[in-house]
Amino acid sequence: GENVEQHPSTLSVQEGDSAVIKCTYSDSASNYFPWYKQELGKRPQLIIDIRSNVGEKKDQRIAVTLNKTAKHFSLHITETQPEDSAVYFCAARGAGGTSYGKLTFGQGTILTVHP
Amino acid sequence: DAGVIQSPRHEVTEMGQEVTLRCKPISGHNSLFWYRQTMMRGLELLIYFNNNVPIDDSGMPEDRFSAKMPNASFSTLKIQPSEPRDSAVYFCASSRTSGRAVTGELFFGEGSRLTVL
Repeated sequence: GENVEQHPSTLSVQEGDSAVIKCTYSDSASNYFPWYKQELGKRPQLIIDIRSNVGEKKDQRIAVTLNKTAKHFSLHITETQPEDSAVYFCAARGAGGTSYGKLTFGQGTILTVHP
Repeated sequence: DAGVIQSPRHEVTEMGQEVTLRCKPISGHNSLFWYRQTMMRGLELLIYFNNNVPIDDSGMPEDRFSAKMPNASFSTLKIQPSEPRDSAVYFCASSRTSGRAVTGELFFGEGSRLTVL
Protein backbone atom coordinates (compact mmCIF):
# COMPACT_ATOMS: atom_id res chain seq x y z
CA GLY A 1 0.00 0.00 0.00
CA GLU A 2 0.87 3.68 -0.10
CA ASN A 3 3.45 5.03 2.35
CA VAL A 4 3.81 8.78 2.90
CA GLU A 5 6.81 10.20 4.71
CA GLN A 6 6.77 13.80 5.93
CA HIS A 7 9.63 16.01 7.15
CA PRO A 8 10.37 17.79 9.35
CA SER A 9 8.22 16.73 12.29
CA THR A 10 8.61 20.16 13.88
CA LEU A 11 9.46 23.50 12.32
CA SER A 12 10.00 26.79 14.08
CA VAL A 13 10.32 30.06 12.16
CA GLN A 14 10.21 33.77 12.78
CA GLU A 15 7.27 35.77 11.54
CA GLY A 16 7.88 36.83 7.96
CA ASP A 17 10.20 33.94 7.14
CA SER A 18 9.33 31.14 4.74
CA ALA A 19 8.49 27.59 5.78
CA VAL A 20 8.93 24.46 3.67
CA ILE A 21 7.53 21.01 4.44
CA LYS A 22 8.44 18.01 2.31
CA CYS A 23 6.74 14.70 1.64
CA THR A 24 7.58 11.58 -0.30
CA TYR A 25 5.20 8.86 -1.42
CA SER A 26 5.71 5.29 -2.53
CA ASP A 27 2.87 4.51 -4.95
CA SER A 28 3.68 5.88 -8.40
CA ALA A 29 -0.01 5.53 -9.34
CA SER A 30 -1.09 8.12 -6.76
CA ASN A 31 -2.61 11.09 -8.53
CA TYR A 32 -3.87 13.57 -5.95
CA PHE A 33 -1.86 15.31 -3.23
CA PRO A 34 -3.67 17.54 -0.72
CA TRP A 35 -2.30 19.45 2.23
CA TYR A 36 -4.33 19.86 5.40
CA LYS A 37 -3.95 22.29 8.26
CA GLN A 38 -5.11 21.29 11.73
CA GLU A 39 -5.32 23.84 14.51
CA LEU A 40 -5.26 22.66 18.10
CA GLY A 41 -8.44 20.80 19.01
CA LYS A 42 -9.97 21.21 15.57
CA ARG A 43 -10.51 19.15 12.45
CA PRO A 44 -8.03 18.98 9.57
CA GLN A 45 -8.98 21.37 6.80
CA LEU A 46 -7.77 21.45 3.22
CA ILE A 47 -5.53 24.40 2.40
CA ILE A 48 -4.23 23.48 -1.04
CA ASP A 49 -4.05 20.45 -3.32
CA ILE A 50 -2.32 19.42 -6.51
CA ARG A 51 -3.10 16.79 -9.09
CA SER A 52 -0.56 14.62 -10.85
CA ASN A 53 -0.81 16.44 -14.18
CA VAL A 54 0.40 19.72 -12.61
CA GLY A 55 3.88 20.56 -11.33
CA GLU A 56 3.12 23.59 -9.23
CA LYS A 57 0.15 25.41 -7.77
CA LYS A 58 -0.01 28.66 -5.84
CA ASP A 59 -2.66 30.31 -3.69
CA GLN A 60 -1.60 33.63 -2.18
CA ARG A 61 1.11 32.85 0.41
CA ILE A 62 1.05 29.09 -0.03
CA ALA A 63 2.31 26.98 -2.89
CA VAL A 64 2.77 23.30 -3.56
CA THR A 65 5.22 21.65 -5.94
CA LEU A 66 5.12 18.08 -7.22
CA ASN A 67 7.92 16.00 -8.71
CA LYS A 68 6.32 12.82 -10.01
CA THR A 69 9.59 11.28 -11.13
CA ALA A 70 11.10 11.58 -7.68
CA LYS A 71 7.74 10.97 -5.98
CA HIS A 72 7.93 13.95 -3.71
CA PHE A 73 5.92 17.08 -3.12
CA SER A 74 6.41 20.12 -0.95
CA LEU A 75 4.42 22.86 0.75
CA HIS A 76 5.84 26.37 0.76
CA ILE A 77 4.48 29.12 3.00
CA THR A 78 5.90 32.59 2.47
CA GLU A 79 5.68 35.61 4.78
CA THR A 80 4.59 33.41 7.66
CA GLN A 81 2.27 34.81 10.32
CA PRO A 82 1.55 33.62 13.87
CA GLU A 83 -1.86 32.36 12.73
CA ASP A 84 -0.06 29.92 10.41
CA SER A 85 0.99 28.01 13.54
CA ALA A 86 -0.67 24.59 13.35
CA VAL A 87 -0.04 20.98 12.39
CA TYR A 88 0.25 20.45 8.64
CA PHE A 89 -0.42 17.09 7.01
CA CYS A 90 0.42 16.01 3.50
CA ALA A 91 -1.47 13.16 1.89
CA ALA A 92 -1.52 11.06 -1.24
CA ARG A 93 -4.52 9.41 -2.84
CA GLY A 94 -4.22 6.02 -4.50
CA ALA A 95 -5.44 5.47 -8.02
CA GLY A 96 -5.44 1.73 -8.49
CA GLY A 97 -6.77 -1.51 -7.03
CA THR A 98 -7.73 -1.44 -3.39
CA SER A 99 -5.85 1.85 -3.00
CA TYR A 100 -8.31 3.65 -5.25
CA GLY A 101 -9.71 6.68 -3.48
CA LYS A 102 -7.73 5.92 -0.34
CA LEU A 103 -6.05 8.98 1.20
CA THR A 104 -2.88 8.18 3.17
CA PHE A 105 -1.50 10.91 5.43
CA GLY A 106 2.01 11.81 6.46
CA GLN A 107 2.87 12.01 10.14
CA GLY A 108 2.38 15.76 10.32
CA THR A 109 4.59 18.80 10.89
CA ILE A 110 4.10 21.08 13.87
CA LEU A 111 4.76 24.58 12.58
CA THR A 112 5.37 27.35 15.09
CA VAL A 113 5.64 30.94 13.90
CA HIS A 114 7.18 33.25 16.48
CA PRO A 115 6.09 36.90 16.45
CA ASP B 1 -24.58 22.41 4.18
CA ALA B 2 -23.92 21.40 7.79
CA GLY B 3 -20.78 19.49 6.88
CA VAL B 4 -19.87 16.08 8.24
CA ILE B 5 -21.63 15.52 11.54
CA GLN B 6 -20.22 13.25 14.20
CA SER B 7 -21.53 12.19 17.57
CA PRO B 8 -20.74 12.06 20.36
CA ARG B 9 -18.08 14.78 20.48
CA HIS B 10 -16.68 13.37 23.68
CA GLU B 11 -17.02 9.94 25.21
CA VAL B 12 -15.54 8.68 28.45
CA THR B 13 -16.07 5.04 29.21
CA GLU B 14 -14.62 2.23 31.20
CA MET B 15 -12.57 -0.60 29.81
CA GLY B 16 -14.74 -3.40 28.52
CA GLN B 17 -17.70 -1.23 27.60
CA GLU B 18 -19.09 -0.97 24.10
CA VAL B 19 -18.56 2.31 22.26
CA THR B 20 -20.51 3.43 19.22
CA LEU B 21 -19.46 6.45 17.20
CA ARG B 22 -21.77 7.91 14.61
CA CYS B 23 -21.31 9.87 11.42
CA LYS B 24 -23.50 11.63 8.91
CA PRO B 25 -21.59 12.50 5.71
CA ILE B 26 -22.23 15.52 3.56
CA SER B 27 -25.27 15.01 1.38
CA GLY B 28 -24.27 13.82 -2.08
CA HIS B 29 -20.91 12.47 -1.00
CA ASN B 30 -20.52 8.80 -1.81
CA SER B 31 -17.23 8.00 -0.08
CA LEU B 32 -16.90 7.85 3.71
CA PHE B 33 -13.76 7.39 5.73
CA TRP B 34 -13.03 6.65 9.39
CA TYR B 35 -9.68 7.88 10.72
CA ARG B 36 -8.12 7.58 14.14
CA GLN B 37 -5.71 10.24 15.39
CA THR B 38 -3.19 9.82 18.20
CA MET B 39 0.02 11.63 19.00
CA MET B 40 2.06 8.50 18.44
CA ARG B 41 0.52 7.25 15.21
CA GLY B 42 -0.87 10.37 13.59
CA LEU B 43 -3.87 10.04 11.29
CA GLU B 44 -4.58 6.39 10.54
CA LEU B 45 -7.20 5.26 8.06
CA LEU B 46 -9.33 2.58 9.67
CA ILE B 47 -11.85 1.85 6.93
CA TYR B 48 -13.50 3.49 4.00
CA PHE B 49 -16.74 2.99 2.12
CA ASN B 50 -17.65 3.78 -1.44
CA ASN B 51 -21.37 3.86 -2.23
CA ASN B 52 -22.02 2.27 1.19
CA VAL B 53 -19.76 -0.71 0.42
CA PRO B 54 -16.60 -1.24 2.51
CA ILE B 55 -13.65 -1.01 0.13
CA ASP B 56 -10.67 -1.31 2.43
CA ASP B 57 -10.78 -2.25 6.11
CA SER B 58 -7.12 -3.19 6.40
CA GLY B 59 -6.60 -0.40 8.91
CA MET B 60 -9.10 -1.77 11.41
CA PRO B 61 -6.93 -2.73 14.39
CA GLU B 62 -8.61 -5.98 15.33
CA ASP B 63 -11.89 -7.78 15.63
CA ARG B 64 -12.99 -5.51 18.44
CA PHE B 65 -13.56 -2.81 15.81
CA SER B 66 -16.42 -2.92 13.33
CA ALA B 67 -17.97 -0.36 11.00
CA LYS B 68 -21.21 -0.23 9.10
CA MET B 69 -22.82 2.02 6.56
CA PRO B 70 -26.46 0.96 6.24
CA ASN B 71 -27.33 3.86 3.95
CA ALA B 72 -25.76 6.84 2.21
CA SER B 73 -26.38 9.19 5.12
CA PHE B 74 -25.22 7.24 8.14
CA SER B 75 -22.25 5.23 9.38
CA THR B 76 -21.19 3.78 12.70
CA LEU B 77 -17.87 2.70 14.16
CA LYS B 78 -18.19 0.29 17.05
CA ILE B 79 -15.58 -0.86 19.54
CA GLN B 80 -16.48 -3.86 21.68
CA PRO B 81 -14.97 -4.36 24.17
CA SER B 82 -13.09 -1.08 24.49
CA GLU B 83 -9.56 -0.87 25.90
CA PRO B 84 -7.50 2.08 27.21
CA ARG B 85 -5.27 1.94 24.11
CA ASP B 86 -8.31 2.80 22.01
CA SER B 87 -8.28 6.30 23.49
CA ALA B 88 -7.94 8.70 20.55
CA VAL B 89 -9.82 11.17 18.41
CA TYR B 90 -11.87 9.42 15.76
CA PHE B 91 -12.61 11.42 12.64
CA CYS B 92 -15.19 10.68 10.02
CA ALA B 93 -14.68 12.26 6.59
CA SER B 94 -16.52 12.21 3.31
CA SER B 95 -15.86 13.07 -0.32
CA ARG B 96 -17.38 12.73 -3.73
CA THR B 97 -16.05 9.98 -5.98
CA SER B 98 -17.02 9.55 -9.59
CA GLY B 99 -16.03 6.30 -11.27
CA ARG B 100 -12.32 6.24 -11.98
CA ALA B 101 -12.01 10.01 -12.09
CA VAL B 102 -9.81 11.84 -9.61
CA THR B 103 -11.86 12.41 -6.49
CA GLY B 104 -12.63 15.64 -4.74
CA GLU B 105 -11.75 17.23 -1.43
CA LEU B 106 -12.02 15.23 1.75
CA PHE B 107 -14.14 16.97 4.38
CA PHE B 108 -13.65 16.04 8.02
CA GLY B 109 -16.12 16.07 10.85
CA GLU B 110 -15.29 17.65 14.20
CA GLY B 111 -14.16 14.32 15.57
CA SER B 112 -15.16 12.16 18.53
CA ARG B 113 -12.70 12.23 21.41
CA LEU B 114 -12.76 8.83 23.12
CA THR B 115 -11.24 8.19 26.52
CA VAL B 116 -11.25 4.64 27.83
CA LEU B 117 -10.39 4.38 31.51
